[in-house]
Amino acid sequence: LAKTTQPISMDSYEGQEVNITCSHNNIATNDYITWYQQFPSQGPRFIIQGYKTKVTNEVASLFIPADRKSSTLSLPRVSLSDTAVYYCLVVDTGRRALTFGSGTRLQVQP
Amino acid sequence: GAVVSQHPSWVICKSGTSVKIECRSLDFQATTMFWYRQFPKQSLMLMATSNEGSKATYEQGVEKDKFLINHASLTLSTLTVTSAHPEDSSFYICSAQGQPNEKLFFGSGTQLSVL
Repeated sequence: LAKTTQPISMDSYEGQEVNITCSHNNIATNDYITWYQQFPSQGPRFIIQGYKTKVTNEVASLFIPADRKSSTLSLPRVSLSDTAVYYCLVVDTGRRALTFGSGTRLQVQP
Repeated sequence: GAVVSQHPSWVICKSGTSVKIECRSLDFQATTMFWYRQFPKQSLMLMATSNEGSKATYEQGVEKDKFLINHASLTLSTLTVTSAHPEDSSFYICSAQGQPNEKLFFGSGTQLSVL
């Protein structure tokens, strides 16, 4: 399983762009990257996933360089409600379960 | 997106009793369901993987006789914590997947407190 490393915590202010970088040096060829968001006392919620280059949806963008050894989740113009823990996961297509790392606790200040 | 319903949201029980947690996929057929537990300020830890109609596969260190998992249909999996003790107090979360490589959808979690 590809291990992921991401910052334990980050602070930001409302309206700013937040970039959370995750390293996954031993990602395998068939693995893809997915990000989940978790609020206290709730289950994780899917944000975005990708294999390479850039993926964008209505809530975030995901940047993956050519070597795929890292990825960056970009949250544009965060609000207080974006305060949560963000998990970067590398999905092994052969093993369906998701293995969660420590996550990044994002605190958005007014 | 797909909805996974988990009940109850929270439960308080006495030590020695058993507690059942239900996980339902409401608008899709979940061929595989996963059970996680999460302690305060910690990440999710996978407990077991269950496929409809077959026995669950437990992660190392998880007691299968204590955490009974049943996945009798494509829309329902249950986790029963048997003879619960205070150290079993935790946040339990289920997730469900339709087909391989599809994204996982998570339930809202169950907070178990054992007195």
